[in-house]
Amino acid sequence: GQQVMQIPQYQHVQEGEDFTTYCNSSTTLSNIQWYKQRPGGHPVFLIQLVKSGEVKKQKRLTFQFGEAKKNSSLHITATQTTDVGTYFCTQSGGYNKLIFGAGTRLAVHP
Amino acid sequence: GAVVSQHPSWVICKSGTSVKIECRSLDFQATTMFWYRQFPKQSLMLMATSNEGSKATYEQGVEKDKFLINHASLTLSTLTVTSAHPEDSSFYICSAFGGQGKAFFGQGTRLTVV
Repeated sequence: GQQVMQIPQYQHVQEGEDFTTYCNSSTTLSNIQWYKQRPGGHPVFLIQLVKSGEVKKQKRLTFQFGEAKKNSSLHITATQTTDVGTYFCTQSGGYNKLIFGAGTRLAVHP
Repeated sequence: GAVVSQHPSWVICKSGTSVKIECRSLDFQATTMFWYRQFPKQSLMLMATSNEGSKATYEQGVEKDKFLINHASLTLSTLTVTSAHPEDSSFYICSAFGGQGKAFFGQGTRLTVV
């Protein structure tokens, strides 16, 4: 079945450094969503990308959807300790189901 | 934004007993809700789709007789873990779509079976 691969699994950065996580699919995606889960918390919606080549920004976060709609990335500029958490990309599994990628756990050291 | 409330936030039960987890959409109606399970440092795995007024749809490998789902109203879905065993200990999270394609998640329930 469909599967979204996400890398890296874990990233360790110093505060102020940049961070990027990548999602790749073997099939064309209708859309991709990104969620953030803080330690001990629940996933929170960040963004949805629908169009080929789409780029969206939310303050220090930049989201991209590939031209072929098979990959996506989330880039955080100048990380802060509040960015700590796990970032998941998700794809639609049909019938409104969300299928989560493995997630990238971000640790930020002050 | 839409609010999904899940209760209890944590529960400890004895092996062999059953535990019920509630998921409510507080300010919107949800004909469909989803139940996920998350083991430590792992991703969320979809267990089942809860459909209001009809049977739940279970993902492959999920035992429907063990994880009973009831969606009796447009704002409430329940997941009952029957005859719980230590391997069922996990973080269970529900979600519902609150419009514009956004999924809203409950706070999650940490189940520990001893």
